[in-house]
Amino acid sequence: GQNIDQPTEMTATEGAIVQINCTYQTSGFNGLFWYQQHAGEAPTFLSYNVLDGLEEKGRFSSFLSRSKGYSYLLLKELQMKDSASYLCAVLDSNYQLIWGAGTKLIIKP
Amino acid sequence: GAVVSQHPSRVICKSGTSVKIECRSLDFQATTMFWYRQFPKKSLMLMATSNEGSKATYEQGVEKDKFLINHASLTLSTLTVTSAHPEDSSFYICSARDLARQGDTGELFFGEGSRLTVL
Repeated sequence: GQNIDQPTEMTATEGAIVQINCTYQTSGFNGLFWYQQHAGEAPTFLSYNVLDGLEEKGRFSSFLSRSKGYSYLLLKELQMKDSASYLCAVLDSNYQLIWGAGTKLIIKP
Repeated sequence: GAVVSQHPSRVICKSGTSVKIECRSLDFQATTMFWYRQFPKKSLMLMATSNEGSKATYEQGVEKDKFLINHASLTLSTLTVTSAHPEDSSFYICSARDLARQGDTGELFFGEGSRLTVL
């Protein structure tokens, strides 16, 4: 079956750095997405990786290793507004998006 | 980026009534839209894939007679929850891809979501 694993919850301190990991086992691979979702709101796009390596976008970076079925989202200089759930999703060989359960990130002052 | 609008954002209805939720792509044409349901503190659950001009494709376990999907135009898909019951209370979200977008990565553009409460 298809499976995406990410931690259920993480806690970090304002101003610090946090890394949210995602491992996946899917039938084929056409890219990996990270979405941010604040409580009660729809997800918003953060990043897309299809090749191995690190993609940097401001305070957020996303890394992919296809051989390991592994990705992480790195958030730097954490702000209180970064408190949200972070969803990892993989586009499989049928271009279906397979979703992880999300990681709830709690930022403490 | 592409914009998807969903309406209503919140709806409260009595048990046994039907509720319609609209999903519109405002600045692009969407031949395919996706309907998700999300329970509190859970991830998105794909309910069905809505195809313009044809029948929707429902995921296993989703009752097609309960959740009616109509995709009558390239910019509008509707989800009707028929004979709603309290267990249908949830957050419903639609999304679409802009396939004509240069460099399309498969990114989904989401509507704002609709919170349904059935009394």
